[in-house]
Amino acid sequence: DTGVSQNPRHKITKRGQNVTFRCDPISEHNRLYWYRQTLGQGPEFLTYFQNEAQLEKSRLLSDRFSAERPKGSFSTLEIQRTEQGDSAMYLCASSLTGSEQYFGPGTRLTVT
Amino acid sequence: QKEVEQNSGPLSVPEGAIASLNCTYSDRGSQSFFWYRQYSGKSPELIMFIYSNGDKEDGRFTAQLNKASQYVSLLIRDSQPSDSATYLCAGDAYSGYSTLTFGKGTMLLVSP
Repeated sequence: DTGVSQNPRHKITKRGQNVTFRCDPISEHNRLYWYRQTLGQGPEFLTYFQNEAQLEKSRLLSDRFSAERPKGSFSTLEIQRTEQGDSAMYLCASSLTGSEQYFGPGTRLTVT
Repeated sequence: QKEVEQNSGPLSVPEGAIASLNCTYSDRGSQSFFWYRQYSGKSPELIMFIYSNGDKEDGRFTAQLNKASQYVSLLIRDSQPSDSATYLCAGDAYSGYSTLTFGKGTMLLVSP
């Protein structure tokens, strides 16, 4: 039983560059969530997919952020024109039932 | 704004003692509550969830929910140094999509 995987684990980028992260959920899980966590804070919800449909987006998700889940399998989160405030841990979680969510190891983004 | 509140701690307990972690929430529509453990630099790990008023026990862990008081707690019996971590409380948003609202977490330190 493989868990949620995320790549890359770490990303350092310069301000203004675009970055893309990938999440592979647990294989039978049709629900996928993206969260962002900064130091000293709990994770904050960004967006939710059920199969390939993006059903909910947080107001935190500015128009520089876009997420996809083609074919309802893996998901990508892209940040365009990164800003220093985007530096955070980006967490992906998947769920079968919509209740218990299991997190991947996260992608730590540092914007210099 | 829907909030989950936790004391940031640290909560210090000696090895073998009972650690009591508390959480309050503002969204009366939340149905389910979750406790995650997060070691420094790692992603959250689900340890307990509770839907109904009362107690739910799983090994050394007991979750307690009081919906009238909007209060959730986690008791850890026979605390071990390996339990030292940040404990995140989360409630689901009653949107049908089960997106989670997290508290900031309580740091637990168990001394040998």
